[in-house]
Amino acid sequence: NAGVTQTPKFQVLKTGQSMTLQCAQDMNHNSMYWYRQDPGMGLRLIYYSASEGTTDKGEVPNGYNVSRLNKREFSLRLESAAPSQTSVYFCASRRLTGGVNYGYTFGSGTRLTVV
Amino acid sequence: QKEVEQDPGPLSVPEGAIVSLNCTYSNSAFQYFMWYRQYSRKGPELLMYTYSSGNKEDGRFTAQVDKSSKYISLFIRDSQPSDSATYLCAMSALIQGAQKLVFGQGTRLTINP
Repeated sequence: NAGVTQTPKFQVLKTGQSMTLQCAQDMNHNSMYWYRQDPGMGLRLIYYSASEGTTDKGEVPNGYNVSRLNKREFSLRLESAAPSQTSVYFCASRRLTGGVNYGYTFGSGTRLTVV
Repeated sequence: QKEVEQDPGPLSVPEGAIVSLNCTYSNSAFQYFMWYRQYSRKGPELLMYTYSSGNKEDGRFTAQVDKSSKYISLFIRDSQPSDSATYLCAMSALIQGAQKLVFGQGTRLTINP
């Protein structure tokens, strides 16, 4: 089925370890996003890529880096994980055609625990 | 003050009831208004999408936007147990050349059979 695929679905890291969260979409969307979701905080934007070759910081970028590998793939890297990065991470993509915003499609999330 | 405020609930109603979910916002630049539904341990899925003020109906769901009051609502008629989920409002605007999307906290809704 078409959509946004995230891997892994679950991960436990020790403080200081690094890891990369993978995201791929097969809908030919231009824009891709990484969000984190914490209880009582809603969804907060970490980084986004408006188009292939560009990336920008969102609301909570500290401790993260991203790579827009090609139009389909957008990865999120934690260089040195901290307990404060325990969260559920969602990747999303957006179709924007002729200036019309068709909304966001989300992946099923990665549950990350840092101990 | 948060840009988008949403009562986190939880909200519990009997099957068949009319449900009203609401969000207020402070940024008058928001133009696109969305409601997402999120089932437990799943990603949010787009439920309703409106542009500017007015009403939009889709089956049992009605989305309402009042830009003058900076207030949006989602109504669910004849609610079903399968409607039990967290509902997130979201709104976006083009600010300094970039699309900015802001989510509410989400309201957890339970429909009791």
